[in-house]
Amino acid sequence: DIQMTQSPSSLSASVGDRVTITCQASQDISNYLNWYQQKPGKAPNLLIYDASNLETGVPSRFSGSGSGTDFTFTISSLQPEDIATYYCQQFDNRLYTFGQGTKLEIK
Amino acid sequence: EVQLVESGGGLVKPGGSLRLSCVASGFTFSSYSMNWVRQAPGKGLEWVSSISSSSSYIYYADSVKGRFTISRDNAKNSLYLQMNSLRAEDTAVYYCAKGAFNMHYFDFWGQGTLVTVSS
Repeated sequence: DIQMTQSPSSLSASVGDRVTITCQASQDISNYLNWYQQKPGKAPNLLIYDASNLETGVPSRFSGSGSGTDFTFTISSLQPEDIATYYCQQFDNRLYTFGQGTKLEIK
Repeated sequence: EVQLVESGGGLVKPGGSLRLSCVASGFTFSSYSMNWVRQAPGKGLEWVSSISSSSSYIYYADSVKGRFTISRDNAKNSLYLQMNSLRAEDTAVYYCAKGAFNMHYFDFWGQGTLVTVSS
């Protein structure tokens, strides 16, 4: 099974900062990598699909890149409402794996 | 508007059974794969099971294989998860999630139902 290594596990940043989260797959997953945001007590919400595609209605300050085994998720200018936990998720051979999550806090 | 509403969670003793349901609306249910994803208290997300649109293909995480059974009723726009031989480590919020057209990701999620396995 494919393992996903997401880092960092937590992150503290200031409003307006550029924030970057990485996710590494244990083997090549092409571009089958997706990013979700989960606010406390809420269900996850899809932000980025197939590595770099912005889901409809998601602000353009969110972006994703990468292919193969190394992927990056970026918030270009952190806003107070972005406080949440972010998860990467891969799809391979009809099985799905999530990263461990990155808890984002305001400094 | 897509809506997914889970029900059936609750407190159950170790070794017991529970059946979760998810009623869908706002999209053509019979055209999409559906999934269950769980989250233990204070922990991350764990994919549990997937079922294709016509129930032809079914997949499970190793952690639940042989104990859980996913099914769907397209006439009732409903997804189910039969959970048997429950363990303490199955305690989690269980989310119903709609598969995207290419099945690579989950584009809509329900609000979840809490399952607690404890004596």
